[in-house]
Amino acid sequence: GEDVEQSLFLSVREGDSSVINCTYTDSSSTYLYWYKQEPGAGLQLLTYIFSNMDMKQDQRLTVLLNKKDKHLSLRIADTQTGDSAIYFCAEFWSSGNTPLVFGKGTRLSVIA
Amino acid sequence: KAGVTQTPRYLIKTRGQQVTLSCSPISGHRSVSWYQQTPGQGLQFLFEYFSETQRNKGNFPGRFSGRQFSNSRSEMNVSTLELGDSALYLCASSWGQAEQYFGPGTRLTVT
Repeated sequence: GEDVEQSLFLSVREGDSSVINCTYTDSSSTYLYWYKQEPGAGLQLLTYIFSNMDMKQDQRLTVLLNKKDKHLSLRIADTQTGDSAIYFCAEFWSSGNTPLVFGKGTRLSVIA
Repeated sequence: KAGVTQTPRYLIKTRGQQVTLSCSPISGHRSVSWYQQTPGQGLQFLFEYFSETQRNKGNFPGRFSGRQFSNSRSEMNVSTLELGDSALYLCASSWGQAEQYFGPGTRLTVT
């Protein structure tokens, strides 16, 4: 099967940058996504990147894609306490039968 | 534009009962997908509907079923509930493939 791997925890100080990493295995992935989930809530689509791109920037968020290493990262600049949440990496597995394959999520804790 | 809505938000059922969950997609979106989220298994794909037809199906038993109506609203049904069906059930809608938007989920507790 195809797996999306993420580290489970990340702790940063308020004002620092956070970098959340993800590795995926399907070389035919078309889109790669970052979702945010706050306690008791659904998933919020933060950003996504098409697999022919290397980088995408959206305000405080920067996504980097290394297709050779199948590595995706999400950088959050000037991290705030409101950024504390679980962040999920997901791939659109064009060769499979599921629209999205998710990682287990990275819990980001922001220390004031 | 209103987001994806799911009803009910919380549900408590007893083993052996059945349950129906509802999802209303964003206006204009024709694709609706369902996912189950549990602490142990994470997010797992259940099925996807597009224009009232099931387009994809995940690896869940036949007790899990769904349908989509002509207005794109979707329902999923779980029959003969088991304790292990306790989960957050999330619905996502999309117009194309790129952007999938999730609802707040239905928290199902089976006792």
